[in-house]
Amino acid sequence: QVQLQQSGPGLVKPSQTLSLTCVISGDSVSSNSAAWNWIRQSPSRGLEWLGRTYYRSKWYNDYAVSVKSRITINPDTSKNQFSLQLNSVTPEDTAMYYCARDRGIVATIGMDVWGQGTTVTVSS
Amino acid sequence: QSALTQPASVSGSPGQSITISCTGTSSDVGSYNLVSWYQQHPGKAPKLMIYEVSQRPSGVSNRFSGSKSGNTASLTISGLQADDEADYYCSSYEGSSTVVFGGGTKLTVL
Repeated sequence: QVQLQQSGPGLVKPSQTLSLTCVISGDSVSSNSAAWNWIRQSPSRGLEWLGRTYYRSKWYNDYAVSVKSRITINPDTSKNQFSLQLNSVTPEDTAMYYCARDRGIVATIGMDVWGQGTTVTVSS
Repeated sequence: QSALTQPASVSGSPGQSITISCTGTSSDVGSYNLVSWYQQHPGKAPKLMIYEVSQRPSGVSNRFSGSKSGNTASLTISGLQADDEADYYCSSYEGSSTVVFGGGTKLTVL
């Protein structure tokens, strides 16, 4: 079955870059029938969708307005994984971060597979 | 990109039915049949329970059902069981290729 395995540091200093990776097994990051998402969750902000990457004859990215100026989501076809980079972090970026798959061809229909989550704390 | 509105909490006794509402706008819930619902137990990742308003993924009990009217979607759980006690979140596709979540509802099984 499809599984997502997350990795990355749990502590990031303010103003630095948060970097997380999500390794896919049982599916392909280049699938024409899946999109690969990052979501975060904190007590103050609840669940917050951050963005996604997907392949439909070429690569596309969609990002949440709230982080659009600071976020990059990249696929890595050689390792069948995708990554999240969030620049210029502040303590408000402290959250549990999840990667997740969506099977929508064009629009998001529902995220059916989730990673285990990574707790990221932004602190000096 | 404002969060969808859910009640903070709902409760019910075993065997009863409960409904959780999720109110959005004409730009999200009202425009697309792309509402999904997630169940989250403490310390766990969310689990997809309903997609495309009323579709159940394989393996999800038919006690869970979804519907939509106008800008409001609803999740109904019938035959309430102890293990249904969890947080529930709705989400919707928005027209700008983005996704918005609800604030979450804590379900207590009395």
